Amino acid sequence: DTEVTQTPKHLVMGMTNKKSLKCEQHMGHRAMYWYKQKAKKPPELMFVYSYEKLSINESVPSRFSPECPNSSLLNLHLHALQPEDSALYLCASSHEVADTQYFGPGTRLTVL
Amino acid sequence: KNQVEQSPQSLIILEGKNCTLQCNYTVSPFSNLRWYKQDTGRGPVSLTIMTFSENTKSNGRYTATLDADTKQSSLHITASQLSDSASYICVVSAGVTGGGNKLTFGTGTQLKVEL
Repeated sequence: DTEVTQTPKHLVMGMTNKKSLKCEQHMGHRAMYWYKQKAKKPPELMFVYSYEKLSINESVPSRFSPECPNSSLLNLHLHALQPEDSALYLCASSHEVADTQYFGPGTRLTVL
Repeated sequence: KNQVEQSPQSLIILEGKNCTLQCNYTVSPFSNLRWYKQDTGRGPVSLTIMTFSENTKSNGRYTATLDADTKQSSLHITASQLSDSASYICVVSAGVTGGGNKLTFGTGTQLKVEL
């Protein structure tokens, strides 16, 4: 299995909702990442987990809360989001932090 | 400040033609450079990865070059196909204090291949 899966593919939520994005990989990778990508822009790093511990938080607002339950799973909990948070949220994984990242297909999030 | 600039911003070519995409970077200390292909609404897919000592690397119809002295890279696509239509992103990795790497993404080149 050489892919990163993400669910859901699409998500529409109101500003008062609580939702979660899920990411899974079974490549034995020990580093996992969350990125946010707006249209026609490159991905922006949000969080990095290494060996299930949060190693980088790129000053992301607290309405985004990452969680790494085990080495194969990465969640992103969403609460009280703003319309400007609408974007493609990409998950990636790599063998170690320094290695090539494999990206999932992304979750298209729309905040109303 | 680490920066990665790509050109052109967008490009339209006819099927079967070749094209070359450019990437200039000011990233230090340089660790490696990757080219990714990203289809619309999908996650990026790695095409090539090059370290400081590598000048050329190929992956099928894709050939990447790296000039570490001038801090430039190019991605050459030969015999383009409609499926090559995508955004091509140059990503440069810099070492950080304490270990690990930090990635700097270019803004991408949007390629469209037409009949």
